[in-house]
Amino acid sequence: QVQLQEAGPGLVKPSETLSLTCTVSGGSVNSGTYYWSWIRQHPGKGLEWIGYIYFTGTTYYNPSLKSRPSMSIDTSRNQFSLKLSSMTAADTAVYYCARDSIGDYLPRFDSWGQGIMVTVSS
Amino acid sequence: DIQMTQSPSSLSASVGDRVTITCRAGQIISTFLNWYQQKAGEAPKLLIYSASNLQSGVPSRFSGNGSGTDFTLTISSLQPEDFATYYCQQSYIKFRSFGPGTKVDI
Repeated sequence: QVQLQEAGPGLVKPSETLSLTCTVSGGSVNSGTYYWSWIRQHPGKGLEWIGYIYFTGTTYYNPSLKSRPSMSIDTSRNQFSLKLSSMTAADTAVYYCARDSIGDYLPRFDSWGQGIMVTVSS
Repeated sequence: DIQMTQSPSSLSASVGDRVTITCRAGQIISTFLNWYQQKAGEAPKLLIYSASNLQSGVPSRFSGNGSGTDFTLTISSLQPEDFATYYCQQSYIKFRSFGPGTKVDI
């Protein structure tokens, strides 16, 4: 059973860059059957997809976030990461990493991390 | 992007009730529609994928239907553990998007 676990700071100052890592256990990020994704949820709100990274390093980001997100993947550590630049209070949210299963051409987020609360404040 | 809407935004129901939630996509998405359940303080959990496929381990009282732009999630007999918020999500295009959610409470 695959498990995902987010790690990173719970508090970020305005204008700084958020760095989060998702460690995958029970499965490999070095697989062509998944997109490794980041999703966030503002307090009391719905889910916002941030983007994904493929095992080749190909990325795709939510256009509404402009050029702020950057994702990377480390197959040797079985991890993938998110950097989100120019953080503001509007970026305060719970950040989830998730696996987008695409191997059977029926894409869905079938595994999620527990989420990490990130607060932007000076 | 593809806008997703859900109705109702919230509903009150009792144990044993049959509950139906509707999701509408802003354009045709075939059956590339998934449903998730989220309980307070927890990560979302996949219930239904590709409109009508029950995820492994999910009780059979959950079912999904629809294609094109209109979809439904039905809980045939609501159980105490089903009180939660439900989200639909399209996977028709790489830019994934979610509906705003439907909160089911007592």
